[in-house]
Amino acid sequence: EDQVTQSPEALRLQEGESSSLNCSYTVSGLRGLFWYRQDPGKGPEFLFTLYSAGEEKEKERLKATLTKKESFLHITAPKPEDSATYLCAVRPPNSGYSTLTFGKGTMLLVSP
Amino acid sequence: DADVTQTPRNRITKTGKRIMLECSQTKGHDRMYWYRQDPGLGLRLIYYSFDVKDINKGEISDGYSVSRQAQAKFSLSLESAIPNQTALYFCATSDPTRADTQYFGPGTRLTVL
Repeated sequence: EDQVTQSPEALRLQEGESSSLNCSYTVSGLRGLFWYRQDPGKGPEFLFTLYSAGEEKEKERLKATLTKKESFLHITAPKPEDSATYLCAVRPPNSGYSTLTFGKGTMLLVSP
Repeated sequence: DADVTQTPRNRITKTGKRIMLECSQTKGHDRMYWYRQDPGLGLRLIYYSFDVKDINKGEISDGYSVSRQAQAKFSLSLESAIPNQTALYFCATSDPTRADTQYFGPGTRLTVL
């Protein structure tokens, strides 16, 4: 069973059309939820870490929020340069180690 | 200069060949990781190392081995490459004193014919 599920798999927006990406997780006792941005052919770039329900973080047009079951990445008035794949990852509580479990990502395309 | 570098960036090889992918970092982080990324499967952890003397298997270690030569260097080897090891490979580093956030290298695109 997948611990991290991202939806939608792909999203096409017009420039300026705000929307949200979803990351739902099944682990309990979360020790961190991470958002990354990945451009084609490049490594993931760290965006945010969230630790507890109700927490929010913002960076330019992006805002990440966290509940007990899911996280949202809100994109306000996106621009074409926001086009990328957005990855969500969780740090489960079980092993005590610092590994991450990644979702499969949401591919965002913003058209001018 | 990039904090995490990977060499080579692209490699095409044949089935049965031994391949080594290298990762170097200047971030001063103790922890290093190797992932592979396949379309539709996301990032999966192969091996990780929390210091020079520590090596741990990840989710998909079969067919791979690693070497931590120094704090800054972590190599991934495919002893006998097979076509289903064709993928994008990423190295990452983290610092447990700074939220243990993982920072990724630019990746190596490996094709096994």
